[in-house]
Amino acid sequence: DTGVSQNPRHKITKRGQNVTFRCDPISEHNRLYWYRQTLGQGPEFLTYFQNEAQLEKSRLLSDRFSAERPKGSFSTLEIQRTEQGDSAMYLCASSSAGTSGLSSYNEQFFGPGTRLTVL
Amino acid sequence: AQRVTQPEKLLSVFKGAPVELKCNYSYSGSPELFWYVQYSRQRLQLLLRHISRESIKGFTADLNKGETSFHLKKPFAQEEDSAMYYCALSGNTDKLIFGTGTRLQVFP
Repeated sequence: DTGVSQNPRHKITKRGQNVTFRCDPISEHNRLYWYRQTLGQGPEFLTYFQNEAQLEKSRLLSDRFSAERPKGSFSTLEIQRTEQGDSAMYLCASSSAGTSGLSSYNEQFFGPGTRLTVL
Repeated sequence: AQRVTQPEKLLSVFKGAPVELKCNYSYSGSPELFWYVQYSRQRLQLLLRHISRESIKGFTADLNKGETSFHLKKPFAQEEDSAMYYCALSGNTDKLIFGTGTRLQVFP
């Protein structure tokens, strides 16, 4: 499978614990995005990277959240001192930056997500 | 404020019936609009984008800037169209702003 992969697929943790998720993008893609999806909602943007640079962070990303992409390849999303409100599906997507034909948007390819449950 | 609104959580039709999934947006500028689809047990994937003006799997969507709408239409629904559909917009950065989604159920 050459698509975006995410690990783990499921994570159950107790409130107050730290968790870390990993995303491996499509190999030639230089942009990587994190989204969060709660029940009954669409995905909400959290942050994105171009290569190793974190270019934008949402207000949703509190101080307890940190994301890295140290070598411009895989990325990790860490949540410290988890709260029950952090329970959600965390989605990763990747794309290649640049202009493609009619539009500057480059298709984002999504991973399967990591489902976090905080007890 | 940047917002995408999908007023219907669930749309149920019989096979062969026309389908219209509604999407309205709010954005100060010229956004790009998309429809993403998620079939059961599959990942989210792009269905179509307004700028390409193409028909994918029989679906079309026209951007109406006056009504700030981007409704998804198909003249004859098929059972395999049953899925979750998300309307999304992209502004001056590539981040996507999604609506809450509409579940389409197509009965035989």
